[in-house]
Amino acid sequence: GAVVSQHPSRVICKSGTSVKIECRSLDFQATTMFWYRQFPKQSLMLMATSNEGSKATYEQGVEKDKFLINHASLTLSTLTVTSAHPEDSSFYICSARGSEENYNEQFFGPGTRLTVL
Amino acid sequence: GENVGLHLPTLSVQEGDNSIINCAYSNSASDYFIWYKQESGKGPQFIIDIRSNMDKRQGQRVTVLLNKTVKHLSLQIAATQPGDSAVYFCAALPQAGTALIFGKGTTLSVSS
Repeated sequence: GAVVSQHPSRVICKSGTSVKIECRSLDFQATTMFWYRQFPKQSLMLMATSNEGSKATYEQGVEKDKFLINHASLTLSTLTVTSAHPEDSSFYICSARGSEENYNEQFFGPGTRLTVL
Repeated sequence: GENVGLHLPTLSVQEGDNSIINCAYSNSASDYFIWYKQESGKGPQFIIDIRSNMDKRQGQRVTVLLNKTVKHLSLQIAATQPGDSAVYFCAALPQAGTALIFGKGTTLSVSS
């Protein structure tokens, strides 16, 4: 299957700072990318959907000014956690979808562990 | 929307046994379902999928059953191995082009 990478794999930051997480589709062009958040022993919760070249669509309860999403190219989406706080500590996972013909297929990245001190 | 849930949060089996993990969904319009395996600290790993026009699909050691009447999905793992120990999630696609919605997960523990 297609490969999706995330960088960094883990990051520790101080409260109040901003952290950027990258999601890349390595061998295909992703028209749509999704960002999920997973707290310990819980499921993946969809945060937002981003389409290349347009604004992201956020799920209810997700602050768009706090979680900035940029999908500037067909192979890269970034999630920036602004003014991070300890409650933002979580496992962030992106997924990417390729062509509209294969709209069901979502390929997941390995995740980024964010710890806010 | 879609609400996906699992019946049991944990399942413990002996090596060699068959495992069955269950899942229920709420949206009858959902037409695509996937089972994922997630190991600690890693992203979800695709296991098997099924479309709503099917009621059974088999892979290597795994079978997914779909009962649209009661909106129930199950994953069967044959001859379970210690390497199968992980958290298993079912996910549903509420409608074409949207994101997958995940269920709560079942932790499978396999003892040898």
